[in-house]
Amino acid sequence: GNSVTQMEGPVTLSEEAFLTINCTYTATGYPSLFWYVQYPGEGLQLLLKATKADDKGSNKGFEATYRKETTSFHLEKGSVQVSDSAVYFCALSKISNYQLIWGAGTKLIIKP
Amino acid sequence: GAGVSQSPSNKVTEKGKDVELRCDPISGHTALYWYRQSLGQGLEFLIYFQGNSAPDKSGLPSDRFSAERTGGSVSTLTIQRTQQEDSAVYLCASSSARQWDTEAFFGQGTRLTVV
Repeated sequence: GNSVTQMEGPVTLSEEAFLTINCTYTATGYPSLFWYVQYPGEGLQLLLKATKADDKGSNKGFEATYRKETTSFHLEKGSVQVSDSAVYFCALSKISNYQLIWGAGTKLIIKP
Repeated sequence: GAGVSQSPSNKVTEKGKDVELRCDPISGHTALYWYRQSLGQGLEFLIYFQGNSAPDKSGLPSDRFSAERTGGSVSTLTIQRTQQEDSAVYLCASSSARQWDTEAFFGQGTRLTVV
């Protein structure tokens, strides 16, 4: 079946540190892959996406590359800020009916 | 509309009462989701509507929960005989669900408190 596995949080980093949040998936075919972010007190919003193998999604300094060979879509940022503190969700879109399948979310805490 | 609209934004109800939560998706979006989120935790999938297909109800936690989507647009999530463990934020999302565009857009949610 289709599933998404994210690293457990919380992840606590100091400002300007390098960030990686791991995401791996199981799916049939080539699903689209997404990272969503939920800032404290706000709604879920799309951060970035990739629709085919080797695509790189990027936004707000975050990047993730669609790796078919390792079935991964790890989220990275070179230098995090306090304002990046949020919960990050990895998701895929099933190719059978486009239903989104979600990871459990990873809470990121950035300390000044 | 410009975005996904949910109402009410907050609902306090007494244990045992029924509640209805409404979701107005983005115009033209064929896919609609309901999720539940407790205390900033992960997304608990409840139900998925896609066009005229039979909805995926596999996430509904009990037979007290039901959802309808009338005319392929507005959706109502009904919780009968509410319990305290139903307290959570209920999120609705919609998507155009086309092969090249499956991004979901979320509403602000309905915070349900059962007292």
